[in-house]
Amino acid sequence: AQSVTQLDSHVSVSEGTPVLLRCNYSSSYSPSLFWYVQHPNKGLQLLLKYTSAATLVKGINGFEAEFKKSETSFHLTKPSAHMSDAAEYFCVVVDSNYQLIWGAGTKLIIKP
Amino acid sequence: DTEVTQTPKHLVMGMTNKKSLKCEQHMGHRAMYWYKQKAKKPPELMFVYSYEKLSINESVPSRFSPECPNSSLLNLHLHALQPEDSALYLCASSQQISGGAYEQYFGPGTRLTVT
Repeated sequence: AQSVTQLDSHVSVSEGTPVLLRCNYSSSYSPSLFWYVQHPNKGLQLLLKYTSAATLVKGINGFEAEFKKSETSFHLTKPSAHMSDAAEYFCVVVDSNYQLIWGAGTKLIIKP
Repeated sequence: DTEVTQTPKHLVMGMTNKKSLKCEQHMGHRAMYWYKQKAKKPPELMFVYSYEKLSINESVPSRFSPECPNSSLLNLHLHALQPEDSALYLCASSQQISGGAYEQYFGPGTRLTVT
């Protein structure tokens, strides 16, 4: 069965410094993976997706993620954090029934 | 246009009330979803409609009743809810159910409080 683990419940960075949100997945086949972001009291917005094309995926707002099969990881990065990046981030894997398996979420805190 | 709209934004209802949540998309998507999200948790799938037919019901109590009147609309009828049903209810849509190639687009949600 597919599963996803977000390794940090909270990540705190200073504005202008790099962001790294970690995600590991478990899948018996080549998975499809997503990162979604949820700002306070808002719905979910798709940041980027991996569907077995390029292993480095670029998303919106300067975010990117690299699929590493050998490490079963799909970490989300951004070179320079902005105050508006403060939000909850979810890593998601698609299961064999085409439904979304969600990580527990990582809260990104940006310090001024 | 990648917008999913939901009404109302907020809803407060008593345990004996009947109310409905509404969701609309005009992207031509043929799959629509209802999720429930409790605070500080990821969304939990409730129902999936594919081509206007109920495809998945994740063992949701019968006090929640979904309806898909046409390919653009999705309703969630609520009756005799419990306080523990208070949550953010999210609607989503995707081109089709099958495959990770079809990402889901989410609406802003309805914040439901049951008193």
